Amino acid sequence: NAGVMQNPRHLVRRRGQEARLRCSPMKGHSHVYWYRQLPEEGLKFMVYLQKENIIDESGMPKERFSAEFPKEGPSILRIQQVVRGDSAAYFCASSETGASYEQYFGPGTRLTVT
Amino acid sequence: GESVGLHLPTLSVQEGDNSIINCAYSNSASDYFIWYKQESGKGPQFIIDIRSNMDKRQGQRVTVLLNKTVKHLSLQIAATQPGDSAVYFCAESINNAGNMLTFGGGTRLMVKP
Repeated sequence: NAGVMQNPRHLVRRRGQEARLRCSPMKGHSHVYWYRQLPEEGLKFMVYLQKENIIDESGMPKERFSAEFPKEGPSILRIQQVVRGDSAAYFCASSETGASYEQYFGPGTRLTVT
Repeated sequence: GESVGLHLPTLSVQEGDNSIINCAYSNSASDYFIWYKQESGKGPQFIIDIRSNMDKRQGQRVTVLLNKTVKHLSLQIAATQPGDSAVYFCAESINNAGNMLTFGGGTRLMVKP
């Protein structure tokens, strides 16, 4: 059973471009969480989604950031008009039932904005 | 709670010694706690968890202690090995309140051979 998959692993974008980060949850998992990690810091919750629904987006910046988890395909975290402060590692976790102790993390996408 | 600062605290131990990593959590309503291990370039890996109705839980070579009075968690690693070198994070959660994990600031464990 493959774990949580994220791609790309590394992404470089110039200021003003768009970044799209993809997350494929573990097989049988329908709950996805996105977290952001700045260097030398802990992970910060961004958004919690179930298939076709955003459950909790209290950690998402109000502008430029959006997330979706369609019925088919991976979850997408989209950052429009990236700025240098968006440079971070973005981790996705998945869960079967939504109980927090079941969250399994992917390897992350490291976004660098130049 | 929220992590601040640019540098992680570092714990350096000799191989074979026991390690104790501490964490202060922020929310007295949190009822579930997890320790994660994060190696360089990888995502967090689950180590051990504990619910708020317990004060101690043991796994293989690891023990988690919870002191709700002072909102403190500790992770004890017995007979530390070079493969234990990583950054360790505690995370707290309130079940029935969104399911998101709130991570602490992390401690870097370095094991000297």
